[in-house]
Amino acid sequence: DAMVIQNPRYQVTQFGKPVTLSCSQTLNHNVMYWYQQKSSQAPKLLFHYYDKDFNNEADTPDNFQSRRPNTSFCFLDIRSPGLGDAAMYLCATSRVSGVGEKLFFGSGTQLSVL
Amino acid sequence: AQTVTQSQPEMSVQEAETVTLSCTYDTSENNYYLFWYKQPPSRQMILVIRQEAYKQQNATENRFSVNFQKAAKSFSLKISDSQLGDTAMYFCASGGNRDDKIIFGKGTRLHILP
Repeated sequence: DAMVIQNPRYQVTQFGKPVTLSCSQTLNHNVMYWYQQKSSQAPKLLFHYYDKDFNNEADTPDNFQSRRPNTSFCFLDIRSPGLGDAAMYLCATSRVSGVGEKLFFGSGTQLSVL
Repeated sequence: AQTVTQSQPEMSVQEAETVTLSCTYDTSENNYYLFWYKQPPSRQMILVIRQEAYKQQNATENRFSVNFQKAAKSFSLKISDSQLGDTAMYFCASGGNRDDKIIFGKGTRLHILP
């Protein structure tokens, strides 16, 4: 089945140790998003790619970066994770850009920072 | 800027009952979309229903329907004949063309009791 796949499901890292979360999609969608979801809070958009065009949210910390080497894959790099970065990270796609588009989500990666 | 407010952090209803989840939003845009997304435990978030603001008719998807009150900026979700599989976190979301992104509420955790 076409889908959005996130690996790993759970990731544990140490304070300050770089970590990379991965997302792949078989939907051939143009747009890929990364959301941060903390407990009891709304999912917060970090950035998105429209094809190769990177769009960073103004309040996304510099600690967070992203790469999209091809249509299918997108990575979230956290250069020096702090305790406050522990959260669920959701990858999503949409067929094209536009706020009316349906988002397709992965199952998320739960990041713990020790 | 857009905001989405869900005033019910958690709700429980008996199976087969009807339940209504509340959502209010604020936007200065004339053209926008409203969504309800469902996030079951340990599974990916999926779109339940979508409403285009310029359409007066309330959207319906099988047992799920919305009550869209544009003047009051209210967008509630009604689940009829609730089933155990409806147990999930429900997020209300809004997307406007000017902001060009979707903003989520904090969610309502819904428990369907047998």
